[in-house]
Amino acid sequence: EPEVTQTPSHQVTQMGQEVILRCVPISNHLYFYWYRQILGQKVEFLVSFYNNEISEKSEIFDDQFSVERPDGSNFTLKIRSTKLEDSAMYFCASSAIGQAFRNEQFFGPGTRLTVL
Amino acid sequence: DQQVKQNSPSLSVQEGRISILNCDYTNSMFDYFLWYKKYPAEGPTFLISISSIKDKNEDGRFTVFLNKSAKHLSLHIVPSQPGDSAVYFCAAAVKQQRANNNDMRFGAGTRLTVKP
Repeated sequence: EPEVTQTPSHQVTQMGQEVILRCVPISNHLYFYWYRQILGQKVEFLVSFYNNEISEKSEIFDDQFSVERPDGSNFTLKIRSTKLEDSAMYFCASSAIGQAFRNEQFFGPGTRLTVL
Repeated sequence: DQQVKQNSPSLSVQEGRISILNCDYTNSMFDYFLWYKKYPAEGPTFLISISSIKDKNEDGRFTVFLNKSAKHLSLHIVPSQPGDSAVYFCAAAVKQQRANNNDMRFGAGTRLTVKP
């Protein structure tokens, strides 16, 4: 069964450093998302991406965040200058066009980001 | 952002009994609701969904009930099995005709423990 994959599974970085979280969505999917979950809190929407551009972003997704689909398979989340409060589990998700009444997003296993 | 609320952080039930997980929402624009299940170290997996045009959707042991006037939905699992032990997230979305999957908001999750 096709699945969303994410690398690395755990990323440790120093405050102020840049990190890039990588995701490989399911191959025939066209919508891509990033979510995060701070330890003990709810899953929060960050950004959605379609047709090589951001379709929506939350208030969390400020100028230090960016997303990119550099090739036909990868979808990346870049945090330019990490802060302590960026420590969280980051989930990538993807969905296929045409699932109008299922709205099913497939999630990856997550990348745990620890900012020291 | 408290648009979707799961007021019970945890629930414990005996194997074979019914598990009832509750979710409330405040945004009347939400017209599509989903339940996701999450095991430790994995991303959320889609479980079941319901459109606002329905008040019940059933899939095997899982049934979701929607009460639009109360802005409340619940997930019933019967009979509960030890393998159902996981964190369950309620999510709500504003469904677009163009199958846009944006605007999904998650509750904080309820940790279900099913005891053998």
